[in-house]
Amino acid sequence: DTEVTQTPKHLVMGMTNKKSLKCEQHMGHRAMYWYKQKAKKPPELMFVYSYEKLSINESVPSRFSPECPNSSLLNLHLHALQPEDSALYLCASSQGISNTEAFFGQGTRLTVV
Amino acid sequence: DAKTTQPNSMESNEEEPVHLPCNHSTISGTDYIHWYRQLPSQGPEYVIHGLTSNVNNRMASLAIAEDRKSSTLILHRATLRDAAVYYCILRELIYNQGGKLIFGQGTELSVKP
Repeated sequence: DTEVTQTPKHLVMGMTNKKSLKCEQHMGHRAMYWYKQKAKKPPELMFVYSYEKLSINESVPSRFSPECPNSSLLNLHLHALQPEDSALYLCASSQGISNTEAFFGQGTRLTVV
Repeated sequence: DAKTTQPNSMESNEEEPVHLPCNHSTISGTDYIHWYRQLPSQGPEYVIHGLTSNVNNRMASLAIAEDRKSSTLILHRATLRDAAVYYCILRELIYNQGGKLIFGQGTELSVKP
């Protein structure tokens, strides 16, 4: 199984809502990532988890809150988002060292209204 | 983070070879060169990676300059399904961490029948 599964595929939320994005992998990977991608732009790194601990936060606003409850799951909790946060949110995983490939999910298309 | 420079777009004919260049003059000795591609409406997909020597796999070949300041991704026979944005990425070696996979602007490859 070389899949990274993201749910939901699409999400529409209001600016006062709280929602969560979920990412799951069963490849035994110990590094997991969240990226944000706006239309026609490259993915931007948001967070990196390594061995279930947050190792990199790319100065992401606190309205985005990541969580890694176990080695297979990665969540991104969303609260009080702005319309400009509408984007494709991508999750990825890798074995945790730089000479291995990363696997990406298909993303969650988020629209904030 | 070391940067990469790629042409914004390239065009190829179907069944012809394609050479996608990447400059990375500030590469450090422990940075791996990774290539990913992103098809429309999909998450990025791993293509190939290398450190110093040229690499081949079923998808492509990677040619790395002797001074490692540039590399070329080679698709031996382009098909219409190879139309995508191709990203050249330097991934630094950080033991026991996921490290950073930072995307540059990428090259949009179009393939003509």
